[in-house]
Amino acid sequence: GAVVSQHPSWVICKSGTSVKIECRSLDFQATTMFWYRQFPKQSLMLMATSNEGSKATYEQGVEKDKFLINHASLTLSTLTVTSAHPEDSSFYICSASGAGGETQYFGPGTRLLVL
Amino acid sequence: GDSVTQMEGPVTLSEEAFLTINCTYTATGYPSLFWYVQYPGEGLQLLLKATKADDKGSNKGFEATYRKETTSFHLEKGSVQVSDSAVYFCALSLGSSASKIIFGSGTRLSIRP
Repeated sequence: GAVVSQHPSWVICKSGTSVKIECRSLDFQATTMFWYRQFPKQSLMLMATSNEGSKATYEQGVEKDKFLINHASLTLSTLTVTSAHPEDSSFYICSASGAGGETQYFGPGTRLLVL
Repeated sequence: GDSVTQMEGPVTLSEEAFLTINCTYTATGYPSLFWYVQYPGEGLQLLLKATKADDKGSNKGFEATYRKETTSFHLEKGSVQVSDSAVYFCALSLGSSASKIIFGSGTRLSIRP
């Protein structure tokens, strides 16, 4: 099946620094990528949807200047958490779907801890 | 707004036991319903789906029936195995699965040998 990877799998950073998380589709072209956030024992919450070559669409309440999303190629999307603070600590998960758009394939997630 | 509610875990069962994980939803329109599974250290995988009322999704011995009258999509398996230990997420989408997905909080399932 289609494989989506994320890097890094976990990251610890100091408050005020920026962190970039990569999401790659390894064996298919991802026309659409999604970024989710999951707090402990809670649902995955969609943060934004991005289509290759265009600006991401953010969900209500998600700060676009805080969470920068770039989907510059059909196999790579990045999420940059700018000026991270402890409340940004969370589990970030990406997913990708191909041109057929029938199925989202999920990455294994990135755990971010901001000290 | 649209939402999914599923039973809280963790759920612990013995091997070969019968499994039910309850899921109910609230949605405007006619959603598609999904069950995703996340095995330890892996990404979410689509387990099964149903796109209209009375449809039954099935895969790997798991089944769920789209019940519009009770707005439910309960997951069942007749005889669980240790390898079924994972976190299970019920979810809905108002388009295809490549549209926005709304997830339940997940239910952790542990199977004892």
